[in-house]
Amino acid sequence: NAGVTQTPKFQVLKTGQSMTLQCAQDMNHEYMSWYRQDPGMGLRLIHYSVGAGITDQGEVPNGYNVSRSTTEDFPLRLLSAAPSQTSVYFCASSPGRGQPQHFGDGTRLSIL
Amino acid sequence: QQQVKQSPQSLIVQKGGISIINCAYENTAFDYFPWYQQFPGKGPALLIAIRPDVSEKKEGRFTISFNKSAKQFSLHIMDSQPGDSATYFCAAHPRGGSEKLVFGKGTKLTVNP
Repeated sequence: NAGVTQTPKFQVLKTGQSMTLQCAQDMNHEYMSWYRQDPGMGLRLIHYSVGAGITDQGEVPNGYNVSRSTTEDFPLRLLSAAPSQTSVYFCASSPGRGQPQHFGDGTRLSIL
Repeated sequence: QQQVKQSPQSLIVQKGGISIINCAYENTAFDYFPWYQQFPGKGPALLIAIRPDVSEKKEGRFTISFNKSAKQFSLHIMDSQPGDSATYFCAAHPRGGSEKLVFGKGTKLTVNP
């Protein structure tokens, strides 16, 4: 019963590098989201998807890209990493609008 | 763009006491109010949720009170235990929106033995 799986758990990047954070869910949920968590800021929505092939921007989308080619996977791409993107990133899925979100355990990302 | 204000930022309670965390929202077009619990190194997990047609919901030691006219809702943890020590987030879901859940900034609860 894996739920939402995020990889990697930890990553250190240099400024300007690109990388993809992986997120996979095995619950056949239509909705998936990416959040970043910073001290004192709570959880802020980066991008979300309401189904395969459909994505939209959240509160803080700049510097990030997403795609949703399958129901199971929702990768988050950092195009050119900046120190301001140092954060803990959480992926979540839910069966539908207004339904409980299931979170992964996060990716801790440091940009030097 | 903070639409959900959560207080206090941190809370220390003795074992057996009552923990109370408050949230207020500015936008009346919310229709789902979940609370999430997060332990260090883990993702948030749904604790309890309420919809605005109900003024109170209780699940074990956890109760949500909802005041629609005041645009406020609160989490009460009765008989607080050291195992309840975690960060708690309130959230609100916009009516008619897709999945733009808005979170409060969190409350770090410490329950002393």
